[in-house]
Amino acid sequence: EERLKESGGGLVQPGGSLRLSCGVSGFSFSSYWMHWVRQVPGKGLEWVANIKEDASETNYVASVKGRFTISRDNVQSLLYLQMDSVRAEDTAVYYCVKEVRYAFDSWGQGTLVTVSS
Amino acid sequence: SYELTQPPSVSVSPGQTARISCSGHKLGDKFACWYQQKPGQSPLLVIYQDNRRPSGIPERFSGSNSGTTATLTISGTQTGDEADYYCQAWDNNTWVFGGGTKLTVL
Repeated sequence: EERLKESGGGLVQPGGSLRLSCGVSGFSFSSYWMHWVRQVPGKGLEWVANIKEDASETNYVASVKGRFTISRDNVQSLLYLQMDSVRAEDTAVYYCVKEVRYAFDSWGQGTLVTVSS
Repeated sequence: SYELTQPPSVSVSPGQTARISCSGHKLGDKFACWYQQKPGQSPLLVIYQDNRRPSGIPERFSGSNSGTTATLTISGTQTGDEADYYCQAWDNNTWVFGGGTKLTVL
């Protein structure tokens, strides 16, 4: 069974930093593109970033470009999202997601990030 | 930036067919997929590559995509299908979700 588990969420002040982690099991992590998707509680889904299997390519939604960094450790099967210069509008549940065949077929349970003073 | 538009809500009676639309510029030229999200749960992929069902998804879920509109069809809708549904497509190295449709079964 494929499992993805996010950690690292919590309360952070505006302008601060936070690093999210996602540990996976049940599939060959290094063989898949991985993504972060976020959801403001009670609102819709928003794609945040993705990273190629070998980390040679990354992409970001415009609103986080230059502030967030996605990375991965294929030896330890870990996905990361470094969040810098956070803003109130970054408050959301952040999901770690596996992509296959142009779709997101496995999701973690999410970790809540709250940006507030 | 690319946008996908969904109706905010759709209502259907149990046993009837529900259709949820998703519109976007030349969407038919892209792969569309659909997710179901129930309260307190993570999204679940129900349709990928326009009309393919992942393992474990009931046959009553089907999809189509042509022109500017993708459609998720749920035949013989059950009360357990009540949820939010999101369409998604890939465009220019970014992934886009529709705003979501709340399906009510009553």
